[in-house]
Amino acid sequence: GDSVTQMEGPVTLSEEAFLTINCTYTATGYPSLFWYVQYPGEGLQLLLKATKADDKGSNKGFEATYRKETTSFHLEKGSVQVSDSAVYFCALSVGGSQGNLIFGKGTKLSVKP
Amino acid sequence: EAQVTQNPRYLITVTGKKLTVTCSQNMNHEYMSWYRQDPGLGLRQIYYSMNVEVTDKGDVPEGYKVSRKEKRNFPLILESPSPNQTSLYFCASSFNPLTIGANTEAFFGQGTRLTVV
Repeated sequence: GDSVTQMEGPVTLSEEAFLTINCTYTATGYPSLFWYVQYPGEGLQLLLKATKADDKGSNKGFEATYRKETTSFHLEKGSVQVSDSAVYFCALSVGGSQGNLIFGKGTKLSVKP
Repeated sequence: EAQVTQNPRYLITVTGKKLTVTCSQNMNHEYMSWYRQDPGLGLRQIYYSMNVEVTDKGDVPEGYKVSRKEKRNFPLILESPSPNQTSLYFCASSFNPLTIGANTEAFFGQGTRLTVV
């Protein structure tokens, strides 16, 4: 079945460090790919998305490129801030009758000043 | 403001005592769903609804019920809660993925932390 695998956390970085969170997927159809972020005590909110191969999603300095050949959607940011501390979820959707998002297990990021 | 509202945010209850977690959205979304979030397992879908009076099981439906009598509301019902249902629950809504497609964005509530003792 469809699935998402993302790197285990937690990840601890110093402010202004480069961030990569790896995400790979398995899907039978042509999924859309998402990164959601969960700040402490809050629900999930969409960070960025990409709907077809080679699309790049970007928001708040974060980027991810939909790579069909490697079935990947790695999240990157050039210079993290303390306010980026959160849990990040990679997810896919193939739409259809169930229409649900399939999530990775989440990666907790802590950024130290 | 567009939002999904869940209540309560925190709940401690005893085994077997029926409870309901409410969820309401103000975006006129057709599609609503419930997820539970557990450490090391990520989010798993419990139930979903494509429209009023249309509900179906997700990946982990055992021990839960839902109803969709109105478009904006999608309550989650635990008829006889057990300790293994201790979890963080999220309600989500979006436009219909059948018509909008796979790229439709989901909006999440702030979560309900349930503890069953």
